[in-house]
Amino acid sequence: NAGVTQTPKFRVLKTGQSMTLLCAQDMNHEYMYWYRQDPGMGLRLIHYSVGEGTTAKGEVPDGYNVSRLKKQNFLLGLESAAPSQTSVYFCASSYTSTAKETQYFGPGTRLLVL
Amino acid sequence: GESVGLHLPTLSVQEGDNSIINCAYSNSASDYFIWYKQESGKGPQFIIDIRSNMDKRQGQRVTVLLNKTVKHLSLQIAATQPGDSAVYFCAETLRSGYSTLTFGKGTMLLVSP
Repeated sequence: NAGVTQTPKFRVLKTGQSMTLLCAQDMNHEYMYWYRQDPGMGLRLIHYSVGEGTTAKGEVPDGYNVSRLKKQNFLLGLESAAPSQTSVYFCASSYTSTAKETQYFGPGTRLLVL
Repeated sequence: GESVGLHLPTLSVQEGDNSIINCAYSNSASDYFIWYKQESGKGPQFIIDIRSNMDKRQGQRVTVLLNKTVKHLSLQIAATQPGDSAVYFCAETLRSGYSTLTFGKGTMLLVSP
C-alpha cells in the first residue's frame, strides 16, 4: 500500500513549456486534490475532484488544467508554464468529503520555471 | 500564529518542554478543524482534528483546544521531542457538502536537544 504517490519529484521548465504532474493513490479514495505551496504560505487548492470523471476549481485554478479519467489517478497540467508557477505541488486524496475524512498527502513535486 | 509575507513564525523549544502552537481561523461558519505536521521535504501529515461541538480533544502527546468565540485554535505538544521539529498547519472547513480545506500559513517548531 503506497498511499499517495507523485511523479516527478522535481522538474525544471522554461517559460512557455508544458508538463503534466501525475498523482496516483491506491486507497480507493473518491476525492482527490491538487495544492500548491509557496514559501511562507499554507497550501492553496488548485483543483479537486469528487469522483472519476469530475473536476472542480479551487482557490487558484488559473493556468492549470486537471483530468480524472481513472479513479486512482489525478493529473495536473500546465499548458504554458510561467515563473509564477514555481512552487511545490502536493496531491492529496480522501475517501469521502473533507468533512468526514482526513486528506492523505503525497510527497510533493518541486517545480522550477525559468 | 499566522505568518505575514515570506517568514513563518517560529517557536523554538528545548527537548522535554511543552509546546503551544496557535492558529487564528478565518471563517466563523467553519465547524471542523485539523492540525497537520509537515516535515522538511515531505507532504503534510494528519495529527489531530476537532469538531466545533467540542472545546478540547486529546491524542497521544497532543491536545487541540478550540475557542469559537475568538476563532482560535491551539495545538499543545507535551514533552516535545526533536522529531517534533516541523511546520504545523491548522486547516478549517465546513462539514457539509463538498467543502474543501482552508489552510493557515503555518508555524515552524524547532526543538533543540
